Amino acid sequence: AQSVTQLGSHVSVSEGALVLLRCNYSSSVPPYLFWYVQYPNQGLQLLLKYTSAATLVKGINGFEAEFKKSETSFHLTKPSAHMSDAAEYFCAVSVGTNAGKSTFGDGTTLTVKP
Amino acid sequence: DTGVSQNPRHKITKRGQNVTFRCDPISEHNRLYWYRQTLGQGPEFLTYFQNEAQLEKSRLLSDRFSAERPKGSFSTLEIQRTEQGDSAMYLCASSGQASYGYTFGSGTRLTVV
Repeated sequence: AQSVTQLGSHVSVSEGALVLLRCNYSSSVPPYLFWYVQYPNQGLQLLLKYTSAATLVKGINGFEAEFKKSETSFHLTKPSAHMSDAAEYFCAVSVGTNAGKSTFGDGTTLTVKP
Repeated sequence: DTGVSQNPRHKITKRGQNVTFRCDPISEHNRLYWYRQTLGQGPEFLTYFQNEAQLEKSRLLSDRFSAERPKGSFSTLEIQRTEQGDSAMYLCASSGQASYGYTFGSGTRLTVV
């Protein structure tokens, strides 16, 4: 069975600072990995995905994530935080070519201070 | 394409009543998923359809929950004899392929009083 652990339920950064949100996964087979973002009072939106092509994946709004098999990690980064990045971020894992469900982490709330 | 549509947006019901939610996925997507989300938690898997076939259902899901997807188009999620513990946001998502990721609807917030 697959699982995801997001380290840190709350992360606070200053505007312009590096954003680093951590995600570790557990899977017995090569996974698909995803980051979703949920802005206040909105639905979840796909930010980026890893599907076994390039290990460094670029997403929307300047975010990127690197798949590291040896560390079973898929951390999300952004070089310079913007106030509009304040949201809740979820990491998710799915396995198999006919994969059904994704398993989500409990989320990390990002606060950006002016 | 208008995305994934869920109705109603909010539902308040008395304990013991039955409720039904509807999800209209993106028309080209053959996969449809239902999740439940409570405050401070990530989405929890409930069930999954590929076309009209229900391929997986969470073992944590009570028999009071049932879902259908007739003709592989829209889907309904019914909760019978609601309990206060059913209060949550119910999310629907659709996908074309497993590797594409999900497109989520805005959810239906259920409050059981």
